[in-house]
Amino acid sequence: EAQVTQNPRYLITVTGKKLTVTCSQNMNHEYMSWYRQDPGLGLRQIYYSMNVEVTDKGDVPEGYKVSRKEKRNFPLILESPSPNQTSLYFCASSPGGTSSRSYTFGSGTRLTVV
Amino acid sequence: RKEVEQDPGPFNVPEGATVAFNCTYSNSASQSFFWYRQDCRKEPKLLMSVYSSGNEDGRFTAQLNRASQYISLLIRDSKLSDSATYLCVVNYDYKLSFGAGTTVTVRA
Repeated sequence: EAQVTQNPRYLITVTGKKLTVTCSQNMNHEYMSWYRQDPGLGLRQIYYSMNVEVTDKGDVPEGYKVSRKEKRNFPLILESPSPNQTSLYFCASSPGGTSSRSYTFGSGTRLTVV
Repeated sequence: RKEVEQDPGPFNVPEGATVAFNCTYSNSASQSFFWYRQDCRKEPKLLMSVYSSGNEDGRFTAQLNRASQYISLLIRDSKLSDSATYLCVVNYDYKLSFGAGTTVTVRA
């Protein structure tokens, strides 16, 4: 089944403890992206990647890192999480192209930083 | 100013009713446009793309007005299963911009 898999689905952590949220897609998509969703704000892009070893900042990259060493994986790293990073996170992938309609989202990761 | 703005609703309508709402976007160079559906903070799922000529998918009709920079969605003959949050999404150069969503509740 074609899908984007995020792990974990739920995570509660403490301020400053490094964490990684994994994202993997099995559709050979070139484009991958991370978003966070907060009430009243909609989804905001954190980072995106157009291909292996190519990443770029989105609208809200502060406090996050990403890497794209393989086409299928695009982990999101929080080196020193803070409570304002408590949010619902989604990973998405697409075959690429500016008019691509095929954005597939992962099931989401609910992160709470205390 | 937000890149994509939507009326948050909620729109509370009876089964069988027609409901319509729209969104506006700020980047006139935007290249493609979509409506996504999101249920209870689950992942967004593509409902339909939106074209300048207008397009239908069953009970759903989408319109795009590039001159005025707004996108609309109309749902005819509402079903209980249409209850969800509808996200207006605009694409420019690999970047998706999302509206905050319009909540629709269809009651029996």
